[in-house]
Amino acid sequence: QQQVKQSPQSLIVQKGGISIINCAYENTAFDYFPWYQQFPGKGPALLIAIRPDVSEKKEGRFTISFNKSAKQFSLHIMDSQPGDSATYFCAASSDGSSNTGKLIFGQGTTLQVKP
Amino acid sequence: EAQVTQNPRYLITVTGKKLTVTCSQNMNHEYMSWYRQDPGLGLRQIYYSMNVEVTDKGDVPEGYKVSRKEKRNFPLILESPSPNQTSLYFCASRPTVPFSQPQHFGDGTRLSIL
Repeated sequence: QQQVKQSPQSLIVQKGGISIINCAYENTAFDYFPWYQQFPGKGPALLIAIRPDVSEKKEGRFTISFNKSAKQFSLHIMDSQPGDSATYFCAASSDGSSNTGKLIFGQGTTLQVKP
Repeated sequence: EAQVTQNPRYLITVTGKKLTVTCSQNMNHEYMSWYRQDPGLGLRQIYYSMNVEVTDKGDVPEGYKVSRKEKRNFPLILESPSPNQTSLYFCASRPTVPFSQPQHFGDGTRLSIL
């Protein structure tokens, strides 16, 4: 019940296309859903995050869509660029019962944007 | 510059030889955590610390130890490393509250246990 399932494992997109990465969770106590971006040789860095009280959050070319009833959320990268080539992790956490705010990460998606 | 620093960045060693990976942060964060990253498994938490002298197990603590004697440092200790601990390790920190503060990650330590 603590898992976050992420798909696809890898994704190849042409420059200018839309990249879509999906995540699903089971624990309804989760109330914070961040996406992290990781470049080779670097640690993950926060890209964008959403709370379940909104269905969508947009920052530049990056959008999170959130479906509370389906317990799913996704990252959309519009006008994908070669510089977006990286590994993306979805994650979830709860401020509630565990009192630690522990992040549960998805399995990761390696995105390659071809010029 | 705000950062989390890990050392070493790369290490090849042999089974059973004790090793320590250091982690230091300069942001005065209370919360620190260690993760391992394996292909197809994402990032899994090994241990975390809510503050000085307060540590607790994550999801995959077997074979690892940690200590938190100072706020800025959170070393990861492998007392008797085994090949199944070959992995990419990340240290991270954030303020304790609010929980939704982003975690700041180091650049990783790639360990190979032969």
